[in-house]
Amino acid sequence: AQSVTQLGSHVSVSEGALVLLRCNYSSSVPPYLFWYVQYPNQGLQLLLKYTSAATLVKGINGFEAEFKKSETSFHLTKPSAHMSDAAEYFCAVCPAGAGSYQLTFGKGTKLSVIP
Amino acid sequence: GAGVSQTPSNKVTEKGKYVELRCDPISGHTALYWYRQSLGQGPEFLIYFQGTGAADDSGLPNDRFFAVRPEGSVSTLKIQRTERGDSAVYLCASSLGSGTGSGELFFGEGSRLTVL
Repeated sequence: AQSVTQLGSHVSVSEGALVLLRCNYSSSVPPYLFWYVQYPNQGLQLLLKYTSAATLVKGINGFEAEFKKSETSFHLTKPSAHMSDAAEYFCAVCPAGAGSYQLTFGKGTKLSVIP
Repeated sequence: GAGVSQTPSNKVTEKGKYVELRCDPISGHTALYWYRQSLGQGPEFLIYFQGTGAADDSGLPNDRFFAVRPEGSVSTLKIQRTERGDSAVYLCASSLGSGTGSGELFFGEGSRLTVL
């Protein structure tokens, strides 16, 4: 069984400031971890994923996340927020393995960027 | 089209009615998934197809929900005797490989169902 906890349903940052969105997971087996972004009126889009290679994963639009097994965390960061980053972000987990498919999502964090 | 297409984008129905939601995956994607996203929640897994067959339907909440993919491409999610609690956004996704470890899931924009 697996679960995901995203701390903070809403996060506001100033343009140019650091973005930090928190995700903690629980999994009975080694996990794959994902961050998805949902822009208004659009479908979920994959930002980045951890699949047991490098623990620091770089994604699109300057985002990155670090898998920390000891902390069961997969926090998402970006050094400098842009207005275009305003969206809802979802962390997800599934059991590791090529045939794994059942993503378990967190409740999401809505990011607002203040000019 | 290039992406996953879902129709209708919005559906309003009355309690007790029957509803069909359609998903047209990316051409060539063998795997298809349905998720449901209730207000304030993340998406929840409903069912997974590999080709024409439902490989895992463990997420379907009850027997009022059914999904088909008869030709291994387009899928239809069917909800009988709708209830107000079925109101949600129903998301469809497809992938080239057999799972998330081997490929990215591509999501459609969803079908928003409102049951009055």
